[in-house]
Amino acid sequence: SQTIHQWPATLVQPVGSPLSLECTVEGTSNPNLYWYRQAAGRGLQLLFYSVGIGQISSEVPQNLSASRPQDRQFILSSKKLLLSDSGFYLCAWGWGGSEQFFGPGTRLTVL
Amino acid sequence: DQQVKQNSPSLSVQEGRISILNCDYTNSMFDYFLWYKKYPAEGPTFLISISSIKDKNEDGRFTVFLNKSAKHLSLHIVPSQPGDSAVYFCAADINAGGTSYGKLTFGQGTILTVHP
Repeated sequence: SQTIHQWPATLVQPVGSPLSLECTVEGTSNPNLYWYRQAAGRGLQLLFYSVGIGQISSEVPQNLSASRPQDRQFILSSKKLLLSDSGFYLCAWGWGGSEQFFGPGTRLTVL
Repeated sequence: DQQVKQNSPSLSVQEGRISILNCDYTNSMFDYFLWYKKYPAEGPTFLISISSIKDKNEDGRFTVFLNKSAKHLSLHIVPSQPGDSAVYFCAADINAGGTSYGKLTFGQGTILTVHP
């Protein structure tokens, strides 16, 4: 069976500090990978998706970037965090169709 | 521009009764719709989906109805149970004959509370 891991579970970072969130998937090969953010009181917003190693598509302009160095590893980064980057970050995987499977999420607070 | 909207932020129902969660969309290109359930501090889990070629899909206590002319879908839970208490998100995709990359557009979510 497939599992998806995200870490850390919670993170408190000062404004201007760097960020690195990691997501890994087990039990499948060549999945599509996704990063979402849920801001307070808002729905899930797709930030990035990837259909293969090194292939990243950005959905919204922002202070964040994503990388996929290995088939089942997806990393969300920032060089300098903003207050508006606070939120609940979710990684998900899928097989190219609509159904996606989400990780447990990371709660990021930028102070 | 919010292309998928869940206009009810919350819904409270009694155990055993029907829960109806609603979702509206504006983009006529959407042709595949999903419902996800989310508990606090967890990722969403897939619940049920429907293609635009159908107007109803049923899975146990959960039924999704799609009204394409009204650009409206709803999730019915019958009978509702306290364990159903969670945030429910509807999502839409442009599947275009099975070539979706899974770029889902989500609504804001509805908090369902089922009282014993």
